[in-house]
Amino acid sequence: EVQLVESGGGLVQPGGSLRLSCAASGFTFSSYAMHWVRQAPGKGLEYVSGISSNGGSTYYANSVKGRVTISRDNFDNTLYLQMGSLRAEDMAVYYCARDSSGWSYYDYWGQGTLVTVSS
Amino acid sequence: DIQMTQSPSSLSASVGDRVTITCRASQSISNYLHWYQQKPGKAPKLLIYAASSLQSGVPSRFSGGGSGTDFTLTISSLQPEDFAAYSCQQSYSTPNTFGGGTKVEI
Repeated sequence: EVQLVESGGGLVQPGGSLRLSCAASGFTFSSYAMHWVRQAPGKGLEYVSGISSNGGSTYYANSVKGRVTISRDNFDNTLYLQMGSLRAEDMAVYYCARDSSGWSYYDYWGQGTLVTVSS
Repeated sequence: DIQMTQSPSSLSASVGDRVTITCRASQSISNYLHWYQQKPGKAPKLLIYAASSLQSGVPSRFSGGGSGTDFTLTISSLQPEDFAAYSCQQSYSTPNTFGGGTKVEI
């Protein structure tokens, strides 16, 4: 069974940093691109970042570019999102999602981890 | 970046109603358009991929259509479990982008 389990969310002050993790199991992690998607309270889904299966290509939304770094460990089956210079508008539930390949729809999602940015 | 515009942002409907949600892309995305359902406090769930292909396990009352810039998600006969939020997403180019969402309410 495919499972994606996020962790690392929590309360952080404006300007602070946080590293999110997504532990993957039930599939060959190194064969799939992965993505982070967030959802602010009461708002829609927003693409954050993506990474190719071997980590050689990364993608970022303009809203986070320069403040966020996506990475992966294919030996440990874990996806990461290092977030810095956090702002109030970064407060959201962060989901990791598996890229299906081919059409690149997201076929599996984690349960999400909440990032709260507040002083 | 490709902008995705969904309409309406919310709608009220009754059980048994036929419901159609539209999604428009700011440029042609061929058929690289996917639909997700999300219930409160839960992760999104894939319904339709490649504009019109039904994901395994999704009821046949859900259907998708369109290509290029204009797409639709139709629920042929709304069921109680369908009251949720629906979002479209393009994967034609990175960054992949989502529509603003449509909340289907009773």
